Amino acid sequence: DQQVKQNSPSLSVQEGRISILNCDYTNSMFDYFLWYKKYPAEGPTFLISISSIKDKNEDGRFTVFLNKSAKHLSLHIVPSQPGDSAVYFCAANLSGNTPLVFGKGTRLSVIA
Amino acid sequence: DAGVIQSPRHEVTEMGQEVTLRCKPISGHDYLFWYRQTMMRGLELLIYFNNNVPIDDSGMPEDRFSAKMPNASFSTLKIQPSEPRDSAVYFCASSLAVIRLTDTQYFGPGTRLTVL
Repeated sequence: DQQVKQNSPSLSVQEGRISILNCDYTNSMFDYFLWYKKYPAEGPTFLISISSIKDKNEDGRFTVFLNKSAKHLSLHIVPSQPGDSAVYFCAANLSGNTPLVFGKGTRLSVIA
Repeated sequence: DAGVIQSPRHEVTEMGQEVTLRCKPISGHDYLFWYRQTMMRGLELLIYFNNNVPIDDSGMPEDRFSAKMPNASFSTLKIQPSEPRDSAVYFCASSLAVIRLTDTQYFGPGTRLTVL
């Protein structure tokens, strides 16, 4: 049973527009969320995170929004650039020393 | 720092053969993780170590899979015997000793395993 779900396997966006990647989770005890980005033939790299005490965290063109009541988070990329084309993984964590739970990933293609 | 190093980058083998994947974590990192990525299941945690000691191996799919960390700079993931359904990309990751395991994990480039 997937505790972290990324229901869109792929997303295509025009360069300069906003990309919105979505993630849902089932375990209300998750209290820390992360996004990782993965290019082909490379390992995932950390992108941005958010604690459950916040509802928004921004880092340059990347913003993560958290809606705890809906158990939903989203990653916004504005403006999207061709170099953002990658697979994006959502991950969540329970408090304490427990490992991350990852979603299946969403492949973003930014078209020039 | 060279980052997390994995070898080989690609492995093609026949069903029934033994496969050994290798990982060198970032120096000074106390946690080491092995993940498997497939289209169907995404990124799954197989096992992780703290200070060379296995902490949780509940993600290891079967007894055919085993992992060791004989020292702080080296870990292996072994599949014996291998099966076609083991075909996937296997990632190793490491992180610093921290209060929470959520702190940034650094991933290696992965080993793409194909079992024919």
